[in-house]
Amino acid sequence: KAGVTQTPRYLIKTRGQQVTLSCSPISGHRSVSWYQQTPGQGLQFLFEYFSETQRNKGNFPGRFSGRQFSNSRSEMNVSTLELGDSALYLCASSYDSYEQYFGPGTRLTVT
Amino acid sequence: KQEVTQIPAALSVPEGENLVLNCSFTDSAIYNLQWFRQDPGKGLTSLLLIQSSQREQTSGRLNASLDKSSGRSTLYIAASQPGDSATYLCAVSRQTGANNLFFGTGTRLTVIP
Repeated sequence: KAGVTQTPRYLIKTRGQQVTLSCSPISGHRSVSWYQQTPGQGLQFLFEYFSETQRNKGNFPGRFSGRQFSNSRSEMNVSTLELGDSALYLCASSYDSYEQYFGPGTRLTVT
Repeated sequence: KQEVTQIPAALSVPEGENLVLNCSFTDSAIYNLQWFRQDPGKGLTSLLLIQSSQREQTSGRLNASLDKSSGRSTLYIAASQPGDSATYLCAVSRQTGANNLFFGTGTRLTVIP
């Protein structure tokens, strides 16, 4: 069974631009969660999608948004990028509310 | 708000030693607790998951225990190996079972050959 995949793996953007990251969950998993990891704040929950609906949301500004498609693939979008958005973005998939499996992450650098 | 703390922040041990990593959380109303390892620049690998109704879980040389009432979990690693070198993170999920994990800051483990 293929694991969680994330694309792209690395990304460099300029301040003020927007970016879209993609996550493909493990086959059969309906839940996709997104996390931001930075050296200063550690791992923080962004949001979770379950069956195309946002089920939970963390404490991030509205510049961070996401969606989930009918095949459970998910995208997250960050608009008007700031230097502080530089981070490793991880997505995790789960079959309902159980063990979460993480992808390799997308390393975003904002210059 | 749930806060998760891991002590120590870093640990260095000689190969073959048994060791214990600690995790504490402030809100005992959790659904489950999960231990992960993270290699530098990589994603997270799930090691063990303990449901709130369970006391411990074992996988190979790893044993995790949970004391929900005191807000504590430990990860025991037996006969450590250099390949165990990584950052170990614990994370708890809320009572409702929603998939938003609260993570600790991690323990960076180095096993010296």
